[in-house]
Amino acid sequence: DQQVKQNSPSLSVQEGRISILNCDYTNSMFDYFLWYKKYPAEGPTFLISISSIKDKNEDGRFTVFLNKSAKHLSLHIVPSQPGDSAVYFCAASGKTGTASKLTFGTGTRLQVTL
Amino acid sequence: NAGVMQNPRHLVRRRGQEARLRCSPMKGHSHVYWYRQLPEEGLKFMVYLQKENIIDESGMPKERFSAEFPKEGPSILRIQQVVRGDSAAYFCASSPSWTGGNSPLHFGNGTRLTVT
Repeated sequence: DQQVKQNSPSLSVQEGRISILNCDYTNSMFDYFLWYKKYPAEGPTFLISISSIKDKNEDGRFTVFLNKSAKHLSLHIVPSQPGDSAVYFCAASGKTGTASKLTFGTGTRLQVTL
Repeated sequence: NAGVMQNPRHLVRRRGQEARLRCSPMKGHSHVYWYRQLPEEGLKFMVYLQKENIIDESGMPKERFSAEFPKEGPSILRIQQVVRGDSAAYFCASSPSWTGGNSPLHFGNGTRLTVT
């Protein structure tokens, strides 16, 4: 049962344009959402997060939007740069029991072309 | 480098052998998490440990897998009698405290286990 879904396995965007990566979740107990970026042969690097009490969080070129009613979040990168080419993972966590753990999506491979 | 350190980076084992993966958390962090990434999949939670305690092992396979985080030294993920299906990237993350709030996990670069 995939509780966090990234339905687009890949995305190609021209340099300077906006990249929009999407993520859907099914578990209404999730209350904290994160985006991680991963280069080959490296670990995931935290990018940006959002709590369920907000609907938008911005950090430089990165903005995350959360639509709780639709159980949907998206990551906007503007302007996109070649160095943004990587796999992006959406992750979620909730206050379940005595411990919190992240549930990851399957990732979207972003390629930013010149 | 004060980040999460994992070793070895690459580990090759024959079927039936044991694999030991090590993780040293970031300085000051007392909570460790292990995740596994199978090819073409996202990361899957395995286990959450504090020093000398397993807090949540709901993601660990019931057999052959074990984890510890002793008072001194790194956290160890141990896989006994490895099979080809254990081939994956194993990532460790650490945090200074329980991340039920809004504190992101910081990951190491992983150990890539190949079972031949």
